[in-house]
Amino acid sequence: EVQLVESGGGLVQPGGSLRLTCEASGFTFDDYAMYWVRQAPGKGLEWVSGISWDSGITGYADSVKGRFTVSRDNAKNSLSLEMNSLRVEDTALYYCTRDGRGSYCGSVSCPSYIDYWGQGTLVTVSS
Amino acid sequence: SFELSQPPSVSVSPGQTASITCSGDKLWNKYICWYQQKPGLSPLLVIYQDSKRPSGIPERFSGSNSGTTATLTISGTQAMDEADYYCQAWDYNSEVNTAMVFGGGTKLTVL
Repeated sequence: EVQLVESGGGLVQPGGSLRLTCEASGFTFDDYAMYWVRQAPGKGLEWVSGISWDSGITGYADSVKGRFTVSRDNAKNSLSLEMNSLRVEDTALYYCTRDGRGSYCGSVSCPSYIDYWGQGTLVTVSS
Repeated sequence: SFELSQPPSVSVSPGQTASITCSGDKLWNKYICWYQQKPGLSPLLVIYQDSKRPSGIPERFSGSNSGTTATLTISGTQAMDEADYYCQAWDYNSEVNTAMVFGGGTKLTVL
């Protein structure tokens, strides 16, 4: 059974930092690209970042570029998101997700989709 | 920047057909997928690559992409289908890297 378990969320002041972690199990982790998707309270879904199976490709939403860094440790079946210079608008439930095809998208005609989601970890940025 | 537009809400009577649309530029060049999200739960993939159903998703869920509008259709809608539905595609972001894009979501009410 595929499981994605996020941790590391919490309350942080504006300008602060947090590191989110996702522990994956039930599948061959290094066969899959992975993504972070967030959802602000009462709002819709927003893609945050993604990383290919070998960390060779990473991508970020414009809203977080330069502040967030995604990484993975295939030996530990772990995905991470380092978040710096946090803003009030970063407040959200952060989901760890898996690419259903495995490969990171390289074009807009990409048929990739998310087939598994974690339960999410809540990040609250407030003074 | 690329956007996917969905109606904020759709209402349907039990047993009837619900249609949720997702519009955007050049959808003929993109694959659309759909996620269902019930309150307090993580999203669930219901349609991928425009019209394919994952294992375990009921046959009443179907999808199509006309090139200008993608549509999620729920035939014989049941009370358990009441949820938020999000469409998703890929596009380039400001750095000409690919980025996942979600529609704003549609709240389906079964009444």
